[in-house]
Amino acid sequence: GENVEQHPSTLSVQEGDSAVIKCTYSDSASNYFPWYKQELGKRPQLIIDIRSNVGEKKDQRIAVTLNKTAKHFSLHITETQPEDSAVYFCAETPNGGATNKLIFGTGTLLAVQP
Amino acid sequence: GAVVSQHPSWVICKSGTSVKIECRSLDFQATTMFWYRQFPKQSLMLMATSNEGSKATYEQGVEKDKFLINHASLTLSTLTVTSAHPEDSSFYICSATPTSGRRETQYFGPGTRLLVL
Repeated sequence: GENVEQHPSTLSVQEGDSAVIKCTYSDSASNYFPWYKQELGKRPQLIIDIRSNVGEKKDQRIAVTLNKTAKHFSLHITETQPEDSAVYFCAETPNGGATNKLIFGTGTLLAVQP
Repeated sequence: GAVVSQHPSWVICKSGTSVKIECRSLDFQATTMFWYRQFPKQSLMLMATSNEGSKATYEQGVEKDKFLINHASLTLSTLTVTSAHPEDSSFYICSATPTSGRRETQYFGPGTRLLVL
């Protein structure tokens, strides 16, 4: 079935520390895994994505890792800043992306304490 | 680039009335647009996939006769909530994928907040 589990649901870190959010999916045919950041009342913004033929991708302070065997992928934010505070959603495209639809995780509320 | 707009940004209506929400891709053509609903402190739930020139594909549990979707052009999709009731109050967000380039990437609109009294 189409299901994405996301943990933790809330995460509080001190400014400068790292934050890690993990997602587990069930469809072995899934091949695209984006991460979105959503600030309160605003639209989700794509922050990084990874495709199934790549194990890791990095963009400045943000990185994503993918373990296809275990069917999980993680978001890593280093040197966190207060403006990183938001809700983060992972997502995946089931059925090998045949329809391009995204199944979203349940979200993680990240709070970066100054 | 890849800007998606929605109109209106918020709407208040009486129970039993219909509300139309527009989703536009401003600087790219979108073969496919998606409609999501998001309740407070919850995730985005896909309602339907809208393809230009064809009927929308609805997710399980979403009433197609209540949530009418029209995708008449490569830059516009509309969602009409018919006979709205208070339980339809939610944040409705659309997204669009470009016809060329990164076709799996979804770009989101700013959302429409619907309150049904």
